[in-house]
Amino acid sequence: QVQLQESGPGLVKPSQTLSLTCTVSGGSVNIGTYYWTWIRQPAGKGLEWMGRIYTNGVTDYSPALKSRVRISMETSTNEFSLRLNSVTAADTAVYYCARDISGTWGNALDYWGQGKLVTVAS
Amino acid sequence: DIQMTQSPPSLSASVGDRVTITCRANQSIGNFLNWLQQRPGTAPKLLIYAASNLQTGVPSRFSGSGSGTDFTLSISRLQPEDFATYYCLQTYTTPRAFGQGTRVDFK
Repeated sequence: QVQLQESGPGLVKPSQTLSLTCTVSGGSVNIGTYYWTWIRQPAGKGLEWMGRIYTNGVTDYSPALKSRVRISMETSTNEFSLRLNSVTAADTAVYYCARDISGTWGNALDYWGQGKLVTVAS
Repeated sequence: DIQMTQSPPSLSASVGDRVTITCRANQSIGNFLNWLQQRPGTAPKLLIYAASNLQTGVPSRFSGSGSGTDFTLSISRLQPEDFATYYCLQTYTTPRAFGQGTRVDFK
C-alpha cells in the first residue's frame, strides 16, 4: 500500500522559504507512470494545485506560483520536496503531497499524504 | 488555463437522498476528470477518475458521468459518512485545476 507523508517546519517567518518533504513508502518514486505533486489548501478554502515533478526531473508549476516555487526529487531516499520562497501570510495553508498516476485512461490523484499545516508568521 | 466551475457551492440533504453535483470546464477536457471527497480535517480521497470510473473500494452509490465540458457526480442514497466536501479536478492538462468545491451537509 502506497503511503505519502509530509514533513517539515510548521512555522515559517514572512519573506523566508517554506520547505517541505514528502516521503513515499510502499512504492518507488522512480516509476515512469507517476507524477509527484504538491497541493495546498488555506483554512476553510478550496484546493490549489501547486506543481508536480516527473521521474525524469521535468517539472510543471502553477503560473501563479512559478516565480517562487521549486519541486525536486531524491530517488535515493524515495522523497520529493517543495520549496516556496518569499512567503507571506497568504501562503499559510495545509500542504498536501500526492501521486498523480498516468494511464491509458488518463490521470488521477490517487494517493495523498495526510497534510502538513504551515503557518507563516513572525 | 482551464477553469472548473462547480455547482452548487453547498447543499443540504438527508440520509437516503439522491444528490447531484455538477462541474463545468471552460474548454473541452474529454473525460479527463476526477472527483474527490474531503471529510473535515482529512486529506481528499479519490472517488472517480476518467469521469465515470469508480476508484477501487468506493461504494457503488457514487457515480460520475459527462464528457467534454459538463460533468456530474451523483450519490444515489446518501449515507452519514457522505457528508463532506466534493471537488472536481481536470487532469487534461497542466496546470491542473480544481473546482471550488461543493459542501454536502445535513438538512
